[in-house]
Amino acid sequence: GENVEQHPSTLSVQEGDSAVIKCTYSDSASNYFPWYKQELGKRPQLIIDIRSNVGEKKDQRIAVTLNKTAKHFSLHITETQPEDSAVYFCAARLYNFNKFYFGSGTKLNVKP
Amino acid sequence: DTEVTQTPKHLVMGMTNKKSLKCEQHMGHRAMYWYKQKAKKPPELMFVYSYEKLSINESVPSRFSPECPNSSLLNLHLHALQPEDSALYLCASSPNHRGRAEQYFGPGTRLTVT
Repeated sequence: GENVEQHPSTLSVQEGDSAVIKCTYSDSASNYFPWYKQELGKRPQLIIDIRSNVGEKKDQRIAVTLNKTAKHFSLHITETQPEDSAVYFCAARLYNFNKFYFGSGTKLNVKP
Repeated sequence: DTEVTQTPKHLVMGMTNKKSLKCEQHMGHRAMYWYKQKAKKPPELMFVYSYEKLSINESVPSRFSPECPNSSLLNLHLHALQPEDSALYLCASSPNHRGRAEQYFGPGTRLTVT
């Protein structure tokens, strides 16, 4: 099966700085890579996703990059704000298979 | 409507009780999921229904029994649970057609087994 590893487990940045979270996956058949933000006591919320036929996708202050050859993908948050503080999970989905493999999560703390 | 709803929000039950969790979506999604989430951990997949048929059971103990009455509803029946089953139970759905794979989560049911 697929194995997704996520780093770092915790990340502390100053407000206005950038934050980068990295994930690697093992199965080259994975073709869809979502990122979720989960605030304390809330549901995981899909914030951005990328498919294997795309190298980069951007939505305002957040972007995701995918390197299929190296089997890794990253979440980039620019101009961080305190409300970005949360746990972020990456995930990978195998082509044509209804199962999402999650990374272990990154707790992001944005200090005002 | 772009939301997955779950009831109840909180549930406290004894080890001999029988209860059910409910999930509903009206986005026309064809795949529905049950996850269990412990504190500071990622969601852990339990069951997947695709087109109203159980397609994945992640070796979940029989004290958890899923049911998909129709394409919009998903239930999780609970019986004789253990204290270690206390967790946040999340329902999710995804389109699963026309190449769309994005998954949306409900707010969860916080379950405490006493």
